[in-house]
Amino acid sequence: RKEVEQDPGPFNVPEGATVAFNCTYSNSASQSFFWYRQDCRKEPKLLMSVYSSGNEDGRFTAQLNRASQYISLLIRDSKLSDSATYLCVVNMGFGNEKLTFGTGTRLTIIP
Amino acid sequence: GAGVSQSPSNKVTEKGKDVELRCDPISGHTALYWYRQRLGQGLEFLIYFQGNSAPDKSGLPSDRFSAERTGESVSTLTIQRTQQEDSAVYLCASSLGRSDPLFFGPGTRLTVL
Repeated sequence: RKEVEQDPGPFNVPEGATVAFNCTYSNSASQSFFWYRQDCRKEPKLLMSVYSSGNEDGRFTAQLNRASQYISLLIRDSKLSDSATYLCVVNMGFGNEKLTFGTGTRLTIIP
Repeated sequence: GAGVSQSPSNKVTEKGKDVELRCDPISGHTALYWYRQRLGQGLEFLIYFQGNSAPDKSGLPSDRFSAERTGESVSTLTIQRTQQEDSAVYLCASSLGRSDPLFFGPGTRLTVL
């Protein structure tokens, strides 16, 4: 099993719709979780951290499910500018704090 | 404040030549990562520096690749005897400490002819 797994997509979603991605991780000791977005031919940029209690930033909501070892990202009222690749990032737990990236989920918002 | 910077932004080299890529992390960031990203592909982990600990070199694809970091500042990634399959964008990222979010530089686009 990969350390961090994402559905590569592509997800093609009409503008205004709600879309959700999941990301599973293999190490139950993982403590830090993040979502990044990467635009075409650009570097990844931090979208949001994921906290145990879940967190929201405008149209974006991130949640952590420790029991099932996955994190999720929900985008409401999607905009054309949300088109990007979304990467989940997880640390590998105590004694190995290295952050590991998933391969990314490609999202295209259709007008 | 200043973000992560990388130089050069673009490098074209001939097969067999050595190249050196530079990364200046955000001041005060103790963790530094190098990644490789081929066109249309995901991030490929290369090496991880954390403070004064021994670097995690588990992602380096061959002994032609090496990296150094001076204290908690500049890092250089060296590729010896470059091959065409080394063509990619090389991304550097730094973070404040263990398990803090990463901030990426703009990358160096390497083309090996």
